[in-house]
Amino acid sequence: GENVEQHPSTLSVQEGDSAVIKCTYSDSASNYFPWYKQELGKRPQLIIDIRSNVGEKKDQRIAVTLNKTAKHFSLHITETQPEDSAVYFCAACYAGKSTFGDGTTLTVKP
Amino acid sequence: NAGVTQTPKFQVLKTGQSMTLQCAQDMNHNSMYWYRQDPGMGLRLIYYSASEGTTDKGEVPNGYNVSRLNKREFSLRLESAAPSQTSVYFCASSEAPHQPQHFGDGTRLSIL
Repeated sequence: GENVEQHPSTLSVQEGDSAVIKCTYSDSASNYFPWYKQELGKRPQLIIDIRSNVGEKKDQRIAVTLNKTAKHFSLHITETQPEDSAVYFCAACYAGKSTFGDGTTLTVKP
Repeated sequence: NAGVTQTPKFQVLKTGQSMTLQCAQDMNHNSMYWYRQDPGMGLRLIYYSASEGTTDKGEVPNGYNVSRLNKREFSLRLESAAPSQTSVYFCASSEAPHQPQHFGDGTRLSIL
C-alpha cells in the first residue's frame, strides 16, 4: 500500500520567516495531494491541495509544489504568523483512499 | 449548515463492549470516510464509502464494521472493543473521492 513520510516532525520559526514541510510518497498511482491544518483539540481543515497534473499551486501566503518523478511534494508558508502555529498533515490519495503523514508541529514565535 | 456531525463526542467503554459511532453530513456529499487518530500520529483510514451503496476497507479495518445507511449517514461499529481501539475517531465527507474532505469534530473513545 501507499506510504507517506513527512519531515520535519517539529519546526520552530520566528514570526515573518518562511516554513517548509516536505512529504514523500511511494505509490506512483496517487494523484491527489491535500494538506490539512489541525489546531489542538480541533478537526483537521484543508488549507491547500494539488493534483498530479499540476506542478505548483499558490493561495496567498501558502503554496504547494509537486514533483511526480521524485514522488515528493512540499508545503511552503511565507510571512508566518503566530496563528499559523498548528500541526500540519500531508496526504497522498488514490481511488478514494487517503494515506496521511504523521504530521509536523509548527510553532511560530512572536 | 452543520457540515459533518458526529455523535457521541466522548465515550468510555469496557473491553468486549460494542458500540456504534454515528456520522451525518448535510452537504449532499457522495463520499464518506472514517479515520482514527492516535497521539502523535496522522489519520489512518479505517473504511470509506465512495458513493451511496458502496463501502471499502482502508488501512486499518480489523475490528470495525461500517454501514452507509443512506447518502447522509455513515456509521462505524466496534463489535467487541479492545484497549488498542482507544483513539480519536474522525468522520469526513467529500463531494467525490478526490475532492477536499470536510471533517467532523471527532469522537474521543476510551476502552478500559
